[in-house]
Amino acid sequence: EAGVVQSPRYKIIEKKQPVAFWCNPISGHNTLYWYLQNLGQGPELLIRYENEEAVDDSQLPKDRFSAERLKGVDSTLKIQPAELGDSAVYLCASSKRTSGSADTQYFGPGTRLTVL
Amino acid sequence: EDQVTQSPEALRLQEGESSSLNCSYTVSGLRGLFWYRQDPGKGPEFLFTLYSAGEEKEKERLKATLTKKESFLHITAPKPEDSATYLCAVLAYTGTASKLTFGTGTRLQVTL
Repeated sequence: EAGVVQSPRYKIIEKKQPVAFWCNPISGHNTLYWYLQNLGQGPELLIRYENEEAVDDSQLPKDRFSAERLKGVDSTLKIQPAELGDSAVYLCASSKRTSGSADTQYFGPGTRLTVL
Repeated sequence: EDQVTQSPEALRLQEGESSSLNCSYTVSGLRGLFWYRQDPGKGPEFLFTLYSAGEEKEKERLKATLTKKESFLHITAPKPEDSATYLCAVLAYTGTASKLTFGTGTRLQVTL
């Protein structure tokens, strides 16, 4: 079974430029997550989707970040404009809802963003 | 606010030298505790889920245990390929939903 796919793997941009990241979750996983991971830190949730609906976006900086999951499968995370402090690894994860247990999240390889 | 603290921050072992990593947590409404392994330049790789105090899970040289306040990841006779960052995370209720909170990880290096 294919894992979570993310692209690009690396991105270098100038500050104030826009950037977009793409994620394809594991087939059949209805829940999709975007995380941000700074060096030496654990991942921090940005947004969670249940199918097409963003059910938790409380940690997403909405002035410059946006996300979409139009058909309930692939998702795109966008930053416009990017700032120096946005340099980090952006991780996508997915999970399948199972009743009576904690849903296990499976992570993609991440996109390493460098803002110059 | 949910808190997850991992110790030590870094650990260096010789091959075959067993040790334990600690994850202490403060959460309300624990649904599960997860251990992940993360290699440089890669995303976290799922290892274990523990649901209740007293539960244990094993995989090759790794064994995870859980109490009401902390979890341990025991590494028996480690090999160099066990070198990685080990992340602990807790899934807890936040009113209407659940949220996964990660610790900062323990960087393990196993030398020959």
